[in-house]
Amino acid sequence: GAVVSQHPSWVICKSGTSVKIECRSLDFQATTMFWYRQFPKQSLMLMATSNEGSKATYEQGVEKDKFLINHASLTLSTLTVTSAHPEDSSFYICSARDRRDPYEQYFGPGTRLTVT
Amino acid sequence: LAKTTQPISMDSYEGQEVNITCSHNNIATNDYITWYQQFPSQGPRFIIQGYKTKVTNEVASLFIPADRKSSTLSLPRVSLSDTAVYYCLVAPSGGYNKLIFGAGTRLAVHP
Repeated sequence: GAVVSQHPSWVICKSGTSVKIECRSLDFQATTMFWYRQFPKQSLMLMATSNEGSKATYEQGVEKDKFLINHASLTLSTLTVTSAHPEDSSFYICSARDRRDPYEQYFGPGTRLTVT
Repeated sequence: LAKTTQPISMDSYEGQEVNITCSHNNIATNDYITWYQQFPSQGPRFIIQGYKTKVTNEVASLFIPADRKSSTLSLPRVSLSDTAVYYCLVAPSGGYNKLIFGAGTRLAVHP
């Protein structure tokens, strides 16, 4: 089946620093990837839609200058949390659509970010 | 995007059948209904998808009445490992449409 990986699986960083999270589709090409954030005991909140070769589309209320998204290839999208603060601590999940089957999204395992 | 409503939580016991109903009154003609399962600290996992009537796979069944304003996920003979959050999503078919997650149903299976 289609596999999406994320790296790292968990990361701890100091307040004010930036951290990059990678999302890869391992066995399929994804022209579209999505980034979600999930706080404890809450649902997934869509942050942005990442399209290969173009600028990401951010959901209302998500700061695009703080959450930089790059989708440079058909198998890789990155999310960079810039100048991270403790309130950015969350579980970040990506998903990808196989361009051959647009009805289904494949989710990554998530990345736990803790900002101290 | 059609809004979905599910029970916040459900409890069951091992070996029982669990039915989780999702309401989506404003579902559009080209919307599909998809259910995901999520364990703590993991990404959601696709369970089943349907458009109308009944769909069955190796893990669940999905019942969709003719008016499609609701759907029911049926998990046969649950085990402790089925304890998870279950999300019902409705989204248009085709293209590269985004998925908006509702609150989900937190299912607890007890021994």
